Amino acid sequence: EVQLVESGGGLVQPGRSLRLSCAASGFSFGDYAMHWVRQAPGKGLEWVSGISWNIGNIDYADSVKGRFTISRDNAKNSLFLQMNSLRAEDTALYYCAKYMLNAAGWGAFDIWGQGTMVTVS
Amino acid sequence: DIQMTQSPSSLSASVGDRVTITCRASQGISNYLAWYQQKPGKVPKLLIYAASTLHSGVPSRFSGSGSGTDFTLTISSLQPEDVATYYCQKSNSAPHFGGGTKVEIK
Repeated sequence: EVQLVESGGGLVQPGRSLRLSCAASGFSFGDYAMHWVRQAPGKGLEWVSGISWNIGNIDYADSVKGRFTISRDNAKNSLFLQMNSLRAEDTALYYCAKYMLNAAGWGAFDIWGQGTMVTVS
Repeated sequence: DIQMTQSPSSLSASVGDRVTITCRASQGISNYLAWYQQKPGKVPKLLIYAASTLHSGVPSRFSGSGSGTDFTLTISSLQPEDVATYYCQKSNSAPHFGGGTKVEIK
C-alpha cells in the first residue's frame, strides 16, 4: 500500500524549532519529488516547500523562506522539514505529499499523508 | 509568484445540479492546473491534473477545462458525497493553491 506518514509535530513556543518527518512506503520514493503543504485551522491549503527527487531543485513559499529547510534521505525513504524561528502563524496541520509526473510531463500531488499538527504558542 | 484565485468562495446547489467552479491564474500557466477535493476532516484528494485529465478512480461527473489563465471544474450532477471544499493548484514550480470553494447541498 502506498503510504505517507508524518511525525514530529507538537506544541512549541514562538522562536523555537521543530523537525517534521515523513516516512514513505509502497512506492519508489527516490524517483519522485516531494512537497510539504500546510493547513491552518479552518483555513485553506498552503504550499510550503518542495524538493526534487535528486535534491537538485528546492523551493520555498515566501512565508517560510529563510526559516524552514526541506531535505530528504532516499536511502531511508524519508522527507524532512526543519522549522526554525517558529511563529504563531505557522500553526497548522502539515502534510507531506508525493508529486506524480506522467509520461507527458504533467504532474500533481497524488498521495498525501494524514498530517502532523504543529501548534506555536 | 503566480497567484491563483477561485470563485465563488462558496456555493449551495441541489442534488443533480450542474456545478461550476472557476480558477484564474495571475499569469499564463499553460495546462499546469490541478484540482483537489477535501471533504470535512479528511485529507485532500487529487481529482484532475493537466487541467482536464481525470485522476484514476475519480467519478466521470467531474471534469476540468481551460488553459492559460482561466480554468473550470465542473460537477455535471451534484451528489451528496460531493460536499467538500475544492482547491485549484498551479501544478508546476512553486505550486500554490487557490483559496478554495466550499460546496454544500441546498
